[in-house]
Amino acid sequence: DAKTTQPPSMDCAEGRAANLPCNHSTISGNEYVYWYRQIHSQGPQYIIHGLKNNETNEMASLIITEDRKSSTLILPHATLRDTAVYYCIVRVTKGRRELIFGTGTLLAVQP
Amino acid sequence: DVKVTQSSRYLVKRTGEKVFLECVQDMDHENMFWYRQDPGLGLRLIYFSYDVKMKEKGDIPEGYSVSREKKERFSLILESASTNQTSMYLCASTLGGDYRYGYTFGSGTRLTVV
Repeated sequence: DAKTTQPPSMDCAEGRAANLPCNHSTISGNEYVYWYRQIHSQGPQYIIHGLKNNETNEMASLIITEDRKSSTLILPHATLRDTAVYYCIVRVTKGRRELIFGTGTLLAVQP
Repeated sequence: DVKVTQSSRYLVKRTGEKVFLECVQDMDHENMFWYRQDPGLGLRLIYFSYDVKMKEKGDIPEGYSVSREKKERFSLILESASTNQTSMYLCASTLGGDYRYGYTFGSGTRLTVV
């Protein structure tokens, strides 16, 4: 699975959009981009994933660049409850079964 | 929604004790995983299982074993607990061979070995 690079921390004002970047320059054609988050003292929570096209669900949007070397997770209206560590993971959907987590981005939503 | 339940939220055990951490999922998932999480080290994979009675070592299996006698239950066993096994332990599950769907994690067990 390709390696990802994320900033260690970011701040965002409550009510504003939070844009979390992820670099995955060595991604291969059959690898998906997954995002998880972990709120303090809880287990990680799945947010969204995508291959090439931008994706949106009730939690967030995922924007993947055309060359697929980077992506951005967008929380459109951040709330204090979105304060968490956000993990970007790149992997194939078949074969190796386990998720490998990096160190993620600590998003702090400020009132 | 899939639910992954870990039997204890907090545990305190003595050095040398045999410790069992239990994890149960209710959606017939084939794959189950045990991770530990430590400050500055992130989540590290201990063991995983993709079928009943099957198990595979993750990145840090030393000092641990697992048991999967039933599909819904995956147990992590610390044969002789040591203080360096003080950690947050997280169980996860996912469906079958196509992992495009998300993994579901339990709430974690915070184990302290004294």
